[in-house]
Amino acid sequence: EVQLVESGGGLVQPGRSLRLSCAASGFTFDDYAMHWVRQAPGKGLEWVSGISWNSGSIGYADSVKGRFTISRDNAKNSLYLQMNSLRAEDTALYYCAKKLGGLAAFDIWGQGTMVTVSS
Amino acid sequence: QPVLTQPPSSSASPGESARLTCTLPSDINVGSYNIYWYQQKPGSPPRYLLYYYSDSDKGQGSGVPSRFSGSKDASANTGILLISGLQSEDEADYYCMIWPSNAVGVFGGGTKLTVL
Repeated sequence: EVQLVESGGGLVQPGRSLRLSCAASGFTFDDYAMHWVRQAPGKGLEWVSGISWNSGSIGYADSVKGRFTISRDNAKNSLYLQMNSLRAEDTALYYCAKKLGGLAAFDIWGQGTMVTVSS
Repeated sequence: QPVLTQPPSSSASPGESARLTCTLPSDINVGSYNIYWYQQKPGSPPRYLLYYYSDSDKGQGSGVPSRFSGSKDASANTGILLISGLQSEDEADYYCMIWPSNAVGVFGGGTKLTVL
């Protein structure tokens, strides 16, 4: 079964750091680009960051650029998001998503991990 | 990053059609982009529905019924998701997405579709 499982969310104070992980299974992880998408409570989807299969191409939303770092470990079938200098507006459910090969669509999504930034 | 504008809400009756729009800013030509559409129901992650570039370049997500289709209105710089034969299960939030560059994506604000 193709599956993405996020972890690492929680309650964190403003200015602190958190590292999210996404464990992939059921497909050849290193064949696909992977992305993070977040959704604040009651709000819409926001694309956060993406990384190509070989980490050669990386992108960030303006809202997180310079604070968040995406990475992957193909040997461990895992995707990561290092989040530094967290702000209240980073509070959201963070989804890991697999990009469909040959097309820029997200065909597989995890269930998400919740990040709450509050003092 | 550009802002994609979607109406916050839309409604239609069962059996009717719903036309959901996604308007691109004036400095981005809708004709140059694939428009991707996602459906999200409460408590679930989004589901990929389809993409539309042109009538000869489009694609349906796995298992997505053919009553979901895409199009563009170039005069309005808008991408369109058409849902025909509405069913109660189509009640959901719908998001459009484009890739202004290879490495950067952007979602629209989403439309909440109510099936009356």
